[in-house]
Amino acid sequence: QQQVKQSPQSLIVQKGGISIINCAYENTAFDYFPWYQQFPGKGPALLIAIRPDVSEKKEGRFTISFNKSAKQFSLHIMDSQPGDSATYFCAASWRGRGAQKLVFGQGTRLTINP
Amino acid sequence: DAGVTQSPTHLIKTRGQHVTLRCSPISGHKSVSWYQQVLGQGPQFIFQYYEKEERGRGNFPDRFSARQFPNYSSELNVNALLLGDSALYLCASSPTTDTNSPLHFGNGTRLTVT
Repeated sequence: QQQVKQSPQSLIVQKGGISIINCAYENTAFDYFPWYQQFPGKGPALLIAIRPDVSEKKEGRFTISFNKSAKQFSLHIMDSQPGDSATYFCAASWRGRGAQKLVFGQGTRLTINP
Repeated sequence: DAGVTQSPTHLIKTRGQHVTLRCSPISGHKSVSWYQQVLGQGPQFIFQYYEKEERGRGNFPDRFSARQFPNYSSELNVNALLLGDSALYLCASSPTTDTNSPLHFGNGTRLTVT
C-alpha cells in the first residue's frame, strides 16, 4: 500500500506546550521519512528527516521518533511557539522503477495559541 | 543561494486549454520532480526527471507531460484542462534520485481552471 496515514487532522496547543503528530505506513520499501512544514501561500519546507535504522532524531525543538516494527513515526515539537503555526506533512520516500517518490500524509493543521 | 523558483505564481485558464508551468532548480541539483497539491491534501507525485530523462511517473493521465532542459530547468505541460486540474503545482529539486536525497520545494504555481 502506497499510503501514509497522518493524525490528527488539526491540533491546537498552548504556547510552550508539546505538539505531537503521528504517522503510519504499510509499505516496507519506504526507506526515508521526512517531515515538511508548509505556511499558507508557500511550498513545503523540509523540517527534519530520519532513516528507518534510527529510532530517534532531534534537531533543536523538533524530534522524530521512529518505530520500525510498528511502522509508525511521529513528530514532537517541544516548547511550541505561535510561529510554529502551520500545516505539517509527514512523508515516506521510496525508489520505484528508478524514481525517487515521496508519498505524503494528509497533513496536520497546527495552531499554537499565545 | 536561490531556492527552487517557479513561474508563473498564479494562472487562470479555461477548461480545454493548455498550460505550461516552469521550474528552475537549486544550482547543482540535477533532479527535478513535479507534485500536485489539491487544497486540503498532501502533495501527489507526478513526474521525476534526472539528467533530462524521465525517471518516474505517478498516476496521472497522458494529458500531463514534462521535460527537462540541458540547464536542468523543467517544464510541466497539461493539455485539455479539466476543472479537477485546479491545484497548486509544486516543483522540487534534489542533487540525485537517491531516496534520502532531500527534496527542496518551490512555492508553486496556483492553477485555477474555470
